[in-house]
Amino acid sequence: DAGVTQSPTHLIKTRGQQVTLRCSPKSGHDTVSWYQQALGQGPQFIFQYYEEEERQRGNFPDRFSGHQFPNYSSELNVNALLLGDSALYLCASSLWGPEQYFGPGTRLTVT
Amino acid sequence: EDKVVQSPLSLVVHEGDTVTLNCSYEVTNFRSLLWYKQEKKAPTFLFMLTSSGIEKKSGRLSSILDKKELSSILNITATQTGDSAIYLCAVEAGWAGNNRKLIWGLGTSLAVNP
Repeated sequence: DAGVTQSPTHLIKTRGQQVTLRCSPKSGHDTVSWYQQALGQGPQFIFQYYEEEERQRGNFPDRFSGHQFPNYSSELNVNALLLGDSALYLCASSLWGPEQYFGPGTRLTVT
Repeated sequence: EDKVVQSPLSLVVHEGDTVTLNCSYEVTNFRSLLWYKQEKKAPTFLFMLTSSGIEKKSGRLSSILDKKELSSILNITATQTGDSAIYLCAVEAGWAGNNRKLIWGLGTSLAVNP
């Protein structure tokens, strides 16, 4: 049973560029949440997708957008990248309740 | 504003020591408290606590919730170097449906030296 998978593992982008990160949830899970984790910080909630719709959103600008596909996989898009967007981006899936299963993350570096 | 505070922020101990990590919260409509361990990348689930005073245990790790004090502790006995990690506390809060959310603490960084 595959757990949560994310791609790519690492990514280097230049300021102003756009990036797309991908996530496949754990088998049987229908809800996907995205988090940004800066070094030395706890995860910061970006948004959550359920039934292909954004169900909740954290305090992130509109440059951060997402999508969920019918197979429950999800994408996180970030436009007009800033240096401050450099972080570990974690995807977590769940079925119901608060317990979430995390993927290995994508390390994004913006130069 | 909902918040979760963990203490200490970092801790260095020797193998065999016992450690106690703290998590306190101020949230609207508490639902549950979760502990995660983060080693290199993905946090892994340890415990979920919903009822006050009932200890959850897994091997050398245990945790308990005190709803009166709005806090929880995570104990690790006979620590090993493999326990070195960041321990994260998250609180689920909010009302039914779309208003539920997880609020995360900054974590406690634990280093266990041989």
